[in-house]
Amino acid sequence: GQQVMQIPQYQHVQEGEDFTTYCNSSTTLSNIQWYKQRPGGHPVFLIQLVKSGEVKKQKRLTFQFGEAKKNSSLHITATQTTDVGTYFCAAPVNNNDMRFGAGTRLTVKP
Amino acid sequence: DTEVTQTPKHLVMGMTNKKSLKCEQHMGHRAMYWYKQKAKKPPELMFVYSYEKLSINESVPSRFSPECPNSSLLNLHLHALQPEDSALYLCASSQDAPLRHGPTYEQYFGPGTRLTVT
Repeated sequence: GQQVMQIPQYQHVQEGEDFTTYCNSSTTLSNIQWYKQRPGGHPVFLIQLVKSGEVKKQKRLTFQFGEAKKNSSLHITATQTTDVGTYFCAAPVNNNDMRFGAGTRLTVKP
Repeated sequence: DTEVTQTPKHLVMGMTNKKSLKCEQHMGHRAMYWYKQKAKKPPELMFVYSYEKLSINESVPSRFSPECPNSSLLNLHLHALQPEDSALYLCASSQDAPLRHGPTYEQYFGPGTRLTVT
């Protein structure tokens, strides 16, 4: 069935470095959501992107939705130790149920 | 109140046991979900309830039986589970259920029940 592919699987950065995770679909998506799951925690909604080419910012986080609505990215500027966790994209597929990407696990070395 | 609560936090059960997981939300949300999450994997959708009716069942084995007694409560009844069913079971809710070609809504997740089947 339809899937949303997410890369990289892991990313280890030095505190202060930037971080980016990418999600790609072979089909056009109506929208895409991003979630963060801290170690031992549960997914927490970050944002939803709906429009082609949309860019949204939340402090040091920048979210983009591709022009063709087949890809999306989350970029964190100057990572902090509080950014540690797994970042998931999620998109509606098939019967419009949300499917999660595999996630990118971010670790930050102080 | 934007909280989804789940009980119990941890559960250890044998393969012959019957147990239930409970989830509650008081945000007036009309859609509720059960997900299964294995370690280092994304949440996998199991069931979706919309307006207290089962709308999506992702080919989940019958040893998992969902129930939605009312719009605020969601249960997951467990019977004759296998060790490979050990996982974190997450409940979530959203304002409404996604419709084909329609909008989707942010999901609020509960803290989960960590289930171990021995």
